[in-house]
Amino acid sequence: DAGVIQSPRHEVTEMGQEVTLRCKPISGHNSLFWYRQTMMRGLELLIYFNNNVPIDDSGMPEDRFSAKMPNASFSTLKIQPSEPRDSAVYFCASNPRAGGSAGELFFGEGSRLTVL
Amino acid sequence: AQTVTQSQPEMSVQEAETVTLSCTYDTSENNYYLFWYKQPPSRQMILVIRQEAYKQQNATENRFSVNFQKAAKSFSLKISDSQLGDTAMYFCAFMGIQGAQKLVFGQGTRLTINP
Repeated sequence: DAGVIQSPRHEVTEMGQEVTLRCKPISGHNSLFWYRQTMMRGLELLIYFNNNVPIDDSGMPEDRFSAKMPNASFSTLKIQPSEPRDSAVYFCASNPRAGGSAGELFFGEGSRLTVL
Repeated sequence: AQTVTQSQPEMSVQEAETVTLSCTYDTSENNYYLFWYKQPPSRQMILVIRQEAYKQQNATENRFSVNFQKAAKSFSLKISDSQLGDTAMYFCAFMGIQGAQKLVFGQGTRLTINP
């Protein structure tokens, strides 16, 4: 099992540019979560999907952020236009929601975003 | 809304000692999951231990155990015979079973194991 795969691992961009972060959940997991981690605010849930459908996006900071899950094996988090305050580590996680691992989130290695 | 509080921003112990990390939470739900996650310098979040609220028995995973006090809404993590590789950030987390099943994290405790 390859685990949750995120790309890119690191991204440095300039203010105003579009940023797209990608995530491939673990096969068979039907929930997917995007978290943001900063020193000031810790780990914040941005949005999560069940069966590819967005369930709760109340954590998305503003309209500059959008997330999609076109199929069960792929999700994107897009920031357009990016701002320096968006600099953070963005984590994707998936969850089986059933079986012995129900309730457990499996995390990717994160994407570190720096906006200059 | 659920909240998770970790009152110890940093802790430091000597190798082989036992250390306990504190966590309290607030919820109106009766059934839920509680977790401790470890985040080493490599930054990937790794599950350490999980507790279902309907189970009275405290969860144990090798050197890691919890003290789950449901009435007090307390969920502490004990690490026995600590090792250098235990150095990491530790996050306590809550997930409700009903309704929005999202993981809510505490602010974390930075644990350093000294040789």
